[in-house]
Amino acid sequence: ETGVTQSPTHLIKTRGQQVTLRCSSQSGHNTVSWYQQALGQGPQFIFQYYREEENGRGNFPPRFSGLQFPNYSSELNVNALELDDSALYLCASSLGGGYFGEQYFGPGTRLTVT
Amino acid sequence: KQEVTQIPAALSVPEGENLVLNCSFTDSAIYNLQWFRQDPGKGLTSLLLIQSSQREQTSGRLNASLDKSSGRSTLYIAASQPGDSATYLCATGGGGSQGNLIFGKGTKLSVKP
Repeated sequence: ETGVTQSPTHLIKTRGQQVTLRCSSQSGHNTVSWYQQALGQGPQFIFQYYREEENGRGNFPPRFSGLQFPNYSSELNVNALELDDSALYLCASSLGGGYFGEQYFGPGTRLTVT
Repeated sequence: KQEVTQIPAALSVPEGENLVLNCSFTDSAIYNLQWFRQDPGKGLTSLLLIQSSQREQTSGRLNASLDKSSGRSTLYIAASQPGDSATYLCATGGGGSQGNLIFGKGTKLSVKP
């Protein structure tokens, strides 16, 4: 059974640039959720994709967007990067959408915006 | 709006001690509660998932309990080891969470040899 993977591991971008982060879900899972974790804080929910459709969104601006592919892998895109976007970005896969299934997290992508 | 609080923020214990980590939440209408472990700069490892109909779950030296009516959960770690040093996070599913998990800020545990 393959676990959740994320790429890249680390990324450094300049304010105003755009970034794409990638997540491969665990085998058999059809749901991917994205979270942002600032230093010393708990993860904050960005949005979830269930069977290629957005299935809930947290309090993040529209410059945070996403996509889920037929194989259930997912991308998180952030436009017009701001310094406050510096954080650990985590994706989690689960089965069935919403919060019903146990969520399994990837290792995260550390984004630094300078 | 669901709020999840974890106390204490940090805890240091000698090896071998039994310990309890606390998690409280404001909206008791949750569907489940999940405990995670996070090592520095790493992702989250799921430890235990408790459904709202359950009172506790056990895995090895870990035991998690859930009291929905009082809005509390505890994670009990028996015979702590230095390898248990990490940040422990709890998260609720449901309870006005807009369809996903609401996390506390975590308790940073240090187990001294």
